[in-house]
Amino acid sequence: ETGVTQTPRHLVMGMTNKKSLKCEQHLGHNAMYWYKQSAKKPLELMFVYSLEERVENNSVPSRFSPECPNSSHLFLHLHTLQPEDSALYLCASSQDLRGGEDTQYFGPGTRLTVL
Amino acid sequence: QKEVEQNSGPLSVPEGAIASLNCTYSDRGSQSFFWYRQYSGKSPELIMFIYSNGDKEDGRFTAQLNKASQYVSLLIRDSQPSDSATYLCAVNRLDSNYQLIWGAGTKLIIKP
Repeated sequence: ETGVTQTPRHLVMGMTNKKSLKCEQHLGHNAMYWYKQSAKKPLELMFVYSLEERVENNSVPSRFSPECPNSSHLFLHLHTLQPEDSALYLCASSQDLRGGEDTQYFGPGTRLTVL
Repeated sequence: QKEVEQNSGPLSVPEGAIASLNCTYSDRGSQSFFWYRQYSGKSPELIMFIYSNGDKEDGRFTAQLNKASQYVSLLIRDSQPSDSATYLCAVNRLDSNYQLIWGAGTKLIIKP
């Protein structure tokens, strides 16, 4: 595996379900990100981790719960979601957190549909 | 007020022509500017970044930055149908050492 991988690629869940999204980066990076992408809207940064420590939580509802067990893996735990949470969830990584000096590399995303 | 603005398009360009994509930003002190390409149903991938005023060329792609006017452009020469995608502009956020401000993207269609 190379780059940033995400599983599952597609997920359909009911509002009462609990599911998890997984991201793994094979680039030796220290920072990882979760983004939400809705149609025709800018990417929304949800969470940022640096060396397994959360450094950003952009006012994300508590029904989204991130976990970063090590610098290569990132999870997004989902529970009691709403239909408006349906979107493409993208994971990204960068070497470090140095603003514009660190390029972010994206995984293929998980297309989430909440019924 | 949007912080990074892009025309949503679609921008239709004939094959072989130059495609010009524009992005304006509001933070005057922004230092780093990125262009990402996103094919339908795929994730964004970095095309170019630019830090200094002027032009930066990479193959068929040229990024142009004008900090005084607060805009950054991406030119694609000899456009190919495979260039059809949504192009996202991103700018570093001044009050954060890692956050980017993203535009909503411009959809580009190259017509054979």
